[in-house]
Amino acid sequence: DIQMTQSPSSLSASVGDRVTLTCRASQGISNSLAWYQQKPGKVPKLLIYAASTLQSGVPSRFSGSGSGTDFTLTISSLQPEDVATYYCQKYNSAPLTFGGGTKVEIK
Amino acid sequence: EVQVVQSGAEVKKPGESLRISCKGSGYSFTNYWIGWVRQMPGKGLEWMGTIWMGSGSPGDSDTRYSPSFQGQVTISGDKSVSTVYLQWSSLRASDTAMYYCARHKYSTSADDAFGVWGQGTMVTVSS
Repeated sequence: DIQMTQSPSSLSASVGDRVTLTCRASQGISNSLAWYQQKPGKVPKLLIYAASTLQSGVPSRFSGSGSGTDFTLTISSLQPEDVATYYCQKYNSAPLTFGGGTKVEIK
Repeated sequence: EVQVVQSGAEVKKPGESLRISCKGSGYSFTNYWIGWVRQMPGKGLEWMGTIWMGSGSPGDSDTRYSPSFQGQVTISGDKSVSTVYLQWSSLRASDTAMYYCARHKYSTSADDAFGVWGQGTMVTVSS
């Protein structure tokens, strides 16, 4: 089965910083990748699908890129409300594996 | 409004059986796959499996399991009440977790992102 590896596992950045999270698949998955945001104590929320398509209602400071095995989620200007753990998920075929997550905090 | 609503929190003893539910509303239930995701305390998200309740005969459904959960749980559904279930025959303490159901984003797509999430069901297994 394909493994999904996220890095870093956690990061701390200042408000207004540009933040980049990485997700790597152990085999190619085309663009079948989603990103989710889970705020503390809350339900996960879909941010991006098809690697780079923003889900309706998600702020434009979030963007996704990549194809094949390497993907990134970028927050162009980090805001206090972005404190959360971010997960990638591959969905090219079952099992629809999640990455281990990246916890984002404010410095 | 499209939503999936889960049953309430459960506290069980090891060895007991349990079935939790997830009811879809606001959309054509038989057109979408619904999946289950486990989140153990302080840990990440784990895909458990998904089910599609086809619009044909009562037995017309398809289920896929993660290898990690195959044989450990059963995913089923009842299209007459637009509900899918996650079931254990004999719970263990290690089953203590939050369980989310989530609907795929696109109609009839078996391999898809989760666009609509339930509120979660906390299952606690303790003697």
